[in-house]
Amino acid sequence: DVKVTQSSRYLVKRTGEKVFLECVQDMDHENMFWYRQDPGLGLRLIYFSYDVKMKEKGDIPEGYSVSREKKERFSLILESASTNQTSMYLCASSLSGFVGRGNTIYFGEGSWLTVV
Amino acid sequence: AQKVTQAQTEISVVEKEDVTLDCVYETRDTTYYLFWYKQPPSGELVFLIRRNSFDEQNEISGRYSWNFQKSTSSFNFTITASQVVDSAVYFCALSENSGGGADGLTFGKGTHLIIQP
Repeated sequence: DVKVTQSSRYLVKRTGEKVFLECVQDMDHENMFWYRQDPGLGLRLIYFSYDVKMKEKGDIPEGYSVSREKKERFSLILESASTNQTSMYLCASSLSGFVGRGNTIYFGEGSWLTVV
Repeated sequence: AQKVTQAQTEISVVEKEDVTLDCVYETRDTTYYLFWYKQPPSGELVFLIRRNSFDEQNEISGRYSWNFQKSTSSFNFTITASQVVDSAVYFCALSENSGGGADGLTFGKGTHLIIQP
């Protein structure tokens, strides 16, 4: 079974703090993704990576950065957390190739981040 | 215009009833893929099914079945004899080459299914 593991399920951080959300997948997938999910807005793609050290902006990259130093690990970084970044963050992975070619995306359990 | 429409925001049924979740999509591609995901209260998005545009056969997996109709651009999901454990938010998604977000994937807004005991 594909396993995508997010290191923290629940976090509470203060405004201005630097926040790291870690994600590891065990299926040797080339693609990895970070989404945020908000009521009424659905899932929105923040960043994705198709290879080590490669990254592409998604639909809402502002206020975020990412790091992919190893194939299995993809980190989301909030340089200076703000209250509007309170959300549920989902990491995901898939096999190589453009997702438009039908590769299934597998998701982690999600990280609930509250910024106070 | 929404590319994936899940018109039912919330459905509530009593256990053992059958329930159908609707999904209507829009694409100009001839090759595309459709997905259903389940999100229980715990938060994880669980992959349920992937269907490509050339395969219109209906699929059945236990109490779950999917009806794909290209003529109406729909990919509906039916749960037979629903159980409380089926309570979750269900998302339909479209994967296409020419559109969607940077990942080529567009999710519907989700249908919150509540199964009452």
